[in-house]
Amino acid sequence: EIVLTQSPATLSLSPGERATLSCRASQSVSRYLVWYQQKPGQAPRLLIYDASNRATGIPARFSGSGSGTDFTLTISSLEPEDFAVYYCQHRSSWPLTFGGGTKVEIK
Amino acid sequence: EVQVLESGGGLVQPGGSLRLSCAASGFSFNSYGMSWVRQAPGKGLEWVSAISESGGSTYYADSVKGRFTISRDNSKNTLYLLMSSLRADDTAAYYCAKPTRPYGDYWYFDLWGRGTLVTVSS
Repeated sequence: EIVLTQSPATLSLSPGERATLSCRASQSVSRYLVWYQQKPGQAPRLLIYDASNRATGIPARFSGSGSGTDFTLTISSLEPEDFAVYYCQHRSSWPLTFGGGTKVEIK
Repeated sequence: EVQVLESGGGLVQPGGSLRLSCAASGFSFNSYGMSWVRQAPGKGLEWVSAISESGGSTYYADSVKGRFTISRDNSKNTLYLLMSSLRADDTAAYYCAKPTRPYGDYWYFDLWGRGTLVTVSS
């Protein structure tokens, strides 16, 4: 099983600041990694797929990078609606796994 | 409207069984593999199980293997999850999720239901 480790667990930032979230895989997942955003009481929303491709309707302030075992989700300038929990997930092999999540909270 | 709607959750005693359903609409259900993902209260996401578009291939997380069975009825556009030997740590919201692309192993999820809550308690 591939373990995805997200860091930090919590990121305290102010609107307008840059957010950098990390996802590290226990073995290579090539570029088969996705990022989701989840707000309280809602289902997850797909943000980035295959490491760096924005999903339909996702603002340009969200970007993804990385390959192999190290991946980054960057939010260039936080908007009020961006404060949420972010998860990574791979599709490299079975079983699929999710990271533990990073909560981006208002400082 | 493209949507999936879960049902069947509820309170069940440890060791009991429950069957969840996921009704799909607005897309070609028989062209997509489907999956279940769960989230324990206040916790992160955990992938549970997946099934190919034909139902011929199934996949499970180690935590549920041998206890849960995923299936589908393409004539009814419905996905199922039969859960047995339930434990307290199976308590979670169970989401039905659709991959972004049909026919294949593109297991990223762009459509999620609202979830159905399963509580395992005596």
